[in-house]
Amino acid sequence: NAGVMQNPRHLVRRRGQEARLRCSPMKGHSHVYWYRQLPEEGLKFMVYLQKENIIDESGMPKERFSAEFPKEGPSILRIQQVVRGDSAAYFCASSHWGRTSTDTQYFGPGTRLTVL
Amino acid sequence: LAKTTQPISMDSYEGQEVNITCSHNNIATNDYITWYQQFPSQGPRFIIQGYKTKVTNEVASLFIPADRKSSTLSLPRVSLSDTAVYYCLVGVHGSSNTGKLIFGQGTTLQVKP
Repeated sequence: NAGVMQNPRHLVRRRGQEARLRCSPMKGHSHVYWYRQLPEEGLKFMVYLQKENIIDESGMPKERFSAEFPKEGPSILRIQQVVRGDSAAYFCASSHWGRTSTDTQYFGPGTRLTVL
Repeated sequence: LAKTTQPISMDSYEGQEVNITCSHNNIATNDYITWYQQFPSQGPRFIIQGYKTKVTNEVASLFIPADRKSSTLSLPRVSLSDTAVYYCLVGVHGSSNTGKLIFGQGTTLQVKP
């Protein structure tokens, strides 16, 4: 049973470039969550997606950030025109049912984005 | 979502039992209590979840008093590999909530030889 997979594990971008982070949920999971962790801080929720739908994007910055979870393929977190403040670890989590009372989110290993 | 308060850091020695208490005075009727563990440069790992009384699994125990305003994560006989950050989360996992997790600062547990 493969867990949540994220790639790349490390990503270096220069200011102004685009960053694409990929997340493949656990088998059988159709709910994906993205979190960001700045250095020496806790994780902050960004967005919650189901297949082809964004359910909650209340934690996403209004500009430059977007997310999708297509019918086929991994979920993508896209950051356009990156700035140094975007440097962080980005974690993806997946769950089976999403909103049920005892669901559990399983986290991937994260993508560490460094903006030069 | 209910706010949680837990100690910033704790120290322990190998072989000891460690208890980390989390306060959640505003916990709602439908809220579950969940604990995650995070090692440096890794994603959080689910440890245990409970609603009331006591829950035990192969890794830890979770004690929840009757008023549910606090909970205690108990790690039996810790080893150096238990050095990590432990997060207490309280949230509604129901139809009225999108399931997002709200992480606080967590408790950094340092286990010494």
